[in-house]
Amino acid sequence: GAVVSQHPSWVICKSGTSVKIECRSLDFQATTMFWYRQFPKQSLMLMATSNEGSKATYEQGVEKDKFLINHASLTLSTLTVTSAHPEDSSFYICSARDHLRDRVFSSNQPQHFGDGTRLSIL
Amino acid sequence: EDQVTQSPEALRLQEGESSSLNCSYTVSGLRGLFWYRQDPGKGPEFLFTLYSAGEEKEKERLKATLTKKESFLHITAPKPEDSATYLCAVRGTGSQGNLIFGKGTKLSVKP
Repeated sequence: GAVVSQHPSWVICKSGTSVKIECRSLDFQATTMFWYRQFPKQSLMLMATSNEGSKATYEQGVEKDKFLINHASLTLSTLTVTSAHPEDSSFYICSARDHLRDRVFSSNQPQHFGDGTRLSIL
Repeated sequence: EDQVTQSPEALRLQEGESSSLNCSYTVSGLRGLFWYRQDPGKGPEFLFTLYSAGEEKEKERLKATLTKKESFLHITAPKPEDSATYLCAVRGTGSQGNLIFGKGTKLSVKP
């Protein structure tokens, strides 16, 4: 159980293109999903917290207008990198927590991660 | 500020050579310490959650322990398939549920 699907797994596109990444929880509902970015040999850095039905919460230094997040349902969050440039090239990973298990068992359920999206901007 | 430091950055072991990975943390009110395994080009795979000092969890060749300042991931008689990057993360009382990650320890097990 607790499978998170991320799509696409790999994107190569030209500078100036907008890229949409999808994150789906396949067998559970997630009121909250998280978007991370990971550079080579670096830790996962939280970019934003995606809340179903409301605005995302962005970490300091992350541009809201550049990284658009939409969490329209309990199983889907999308991250759109608008007008991407080479410096946006990175490994983007989403995660989700099972909010029903959070409520029933504890609020410390682990986050389950997708397999990431490798974004390369030429 | 919540912080996680993992050591060593990289560890090379021979198959069967047991060792430990360290995760030191500072957090305002620990709500959970999490260990993940990450293979190249993949997302992290959940291994363990530890909640309080003295707690231990085991899974196959892995055993995680927790004190008030650090956690250890002990690997007993590792096999080449245990090669991966092991990530430690904490969640504090001040967070929305998000995790603070360390940089990880890259483990290589040679046959």
